[in-house]
Amino acid sequence: EADIYQTPRYLVIGTGKKITLECSQTMGHDKMYWYQQDPGMELHLIHYSYGVNSTEKGDLSSESTVSRIRTEHFPLTLESARPSHTSQYLCASSSGVNTDTQYFGPGTRLTVL
Amino acid sequence: KNQVEQSPQSLIILEGKNCTLQCNYTVSPFSNLRWYKQDTGRGPVSLTIMTFSENTKSNGRYTATLDADTKQSSLHITASQLSDSASYICVVSDRGSTLGRLYFGRGTQLTVWP
Repeated sequence: EADIYQTPRYLVIGTGKKITLECSQTMGHDKMYWYQQDPGMELHLIHYSYGVNSTEKGDLSSESTVSRIRTEHFPLTLESARPSHTSQYLCASSSGVNTDTQYFGPGTRLTVL
Repeated sequence: KNQVEQSPQSLIILEGKNCTLQCNYTVSPFSNLRWYKQDTGRGPVSLTIMTFSENTKSNGRYTATLDADTKQSSLHITASQLSDSASYICVVSDRGSTLGRLYFGRGTQLTVWP
């Protein structure tokens, strides 16, 4: 069982609201990731981090932003939510070794009305 | 274009039966291939990981094979159980960057009926 947590698990919010999706891991992993996944579709990397104060954009363009002030914490923020942001957001972490496995959190299902 | 293609898209089998899921990829240069299991509403969980030199890897009733020459992999599930109902995702990693970028398939949705 991976020690990586996401809150909230479900969020329904109106257009224009600012939201922050929380992700934390207790495994001491340096690398952390955010993925976006629509039903029946593959995961798309939207942000990643190599360590504290390191953040990079992923393959899929996203209006969200992330921060990495502490090793264990990697929150994702949407300044102004829109219906197009409705999706499942998955956080993951890995130890940083070449063949390492990414451990995923349970995800946040976001619905923007 | 997705560089990892999985088939079938969905599959229904009866409890106790075996099944095989397929994964074809075009990712290059290849580093490793993983199979993940994703239960509905949950994050993916790693089942197996294989590098270039490995042909087969087992994890209980799950057996993965890899043919790096043809760039194909399969996941065989033996004596299926109701709890095997999930999406099975093939994930290929390249060695072209320090990130070890992952390419995800869309998954095969497996349903096991009693």
